[in-house]
Formats: sequence, structure tokens, C-alpha cells
Amino acid sequence: NAGVTQTPKFQVLKTGQSMTLQCAQDMNHNSMYWYRQDPGMGLRLIYYSASEGTTDKGEVPNGYNVSRLNKREFSLRLESAAPSQTSVYFCASSPGTGATNYGYTFGSGTRLTVV
Amino acid sequence: AQSVTQPDIHITVSEGASLELRCNYSYGATPYLFWYVQSPGQGLQLLLKYFSGDTLVQGIKGFEAEFKRSQSSFNLRKPSVHWSDAAEYFCAVGARGGSEKLVFGKGTKLTVNP
Repeated sequence: NAGVTQTPKFQVLKTGQSMTLQCAQDMNHNSMYWYRQDPGMGLRLIYYSASEGTTDKGEVPNGYNVSRLNKREFSLRLESAAPSQTSVYFCASSPGTGATNYGYTFGSGTRLTVV
Repeated sequence: AQSVTQPDIHITVSEGASLELRCNYSYGATPYLFWYVQSPGQGLQLLLKYFSGDTLVQGIKGFEAEFKRSQSSFNLRKPSVHWSDAAEYFCAVGARGGSEKLVFGKGTKLTVNP
């Protein structure tokens, strides 16, 4: 009964380094999302995948790339990390079947610091 | 595009007092509306959601919210707050049809005094 699993939970990077944040869900959901949370800014959508094989930009996509590896997994990559990308990153999934099933399940987050 | 405003950044209440957290949304039609709660260092947990029908919705932990179309509001309420309710609360809005992506407000941090 894991739900949405994110790894790692904490990471410190040096400016210019790259890394991939992993996300996996075991609820057979069609849609997956990556958000970043910054103090006073709420959650802002980086990228999302409405269904396997598709990805789309959200509100703040610059500096990030994503891969929907299969129905379960949706990864977020930082190619060249910058201090402005210091944030808490949340992955979420939703059924993607509309109407009353609409709603997210969130992972526990990845706290990333770029120095 | 939809948007959400939570006018109160921080609210302090005494334990046992009533609570109302405000949420106003902007969307051209009737949206899907949600309230999430985030305890320190944790992910977000769904409190309740509104899709259609009865405008007063009940959620977990004794919370309720009322959808008021005329005011574009979806305020969260609880009759008697417990110390364990101290957390940050996020209102979110989703569009009907198409992608299920949500737009979140900036959050309201709730402090509960003993």
C-alpha cells in the first residue's frame, strides 16, 4: 500500500551538477505530475503526464526535463542545477479518468539544496 | 486559466475555537475544488473535494467546506480546532475536462494556541 514513492528524500547538489528525481506509483493511475514548493509560493506545476507516452510543460518548466518511463514511473531531471532550483519537489498521481475519481495522491517529497 | 487566492497567509486560533480558512477561485465555469493539508515535513493529504451537487461537503478530521458560486469561494471550516490541526492548508482548483492538473493557492499556515 505504498501509493506514490519518491527517491531520494534529501539531496545536496553543487551548482552545475545533474541529477534525476524518481517517482513511482502503484495505483494504476494514468496521470502524474511534478510540483515544486517554495515558501510563500505554494505549489507550482513543473511538468505533467496526462497518460503514458505524453508529457507537457506546466507553469515553471525551465531547467527541467521529464520522462514517463512507463505507466508507473515519472522522473524529473535537472541537467545543470542552479541555486534557484533549491526547493521541495513533490510528485503526485491521479486516476486520469475524470469526474469523481479526480484528485491527487502525493509522494512525501524530495528536499533539494543546490549550493 | 484557473487561479486560486488564499487571502490569509497565517492564522492563529485557540484550541477549541472555530476555524474558517478562505479560498477564492477564478474559473470560467464550475470547477473541481479541493482542500489539502500539509503537516511539517510531510506531503499533502486530501481533506475534501467538491465536484457537483450539495454545496456543503464533509471531509476527514471533522472539516467541511462550502462552495458558493456567487462569491467564487470554497471556504474551509471546523467547529472546534484541536492542537493537532496545526499545519498548512492549501486550496486547489481543477478544470473540468482535459488534463487533471490542479492549480494551488499559496497556502494558509494555521497555528493553534493551547
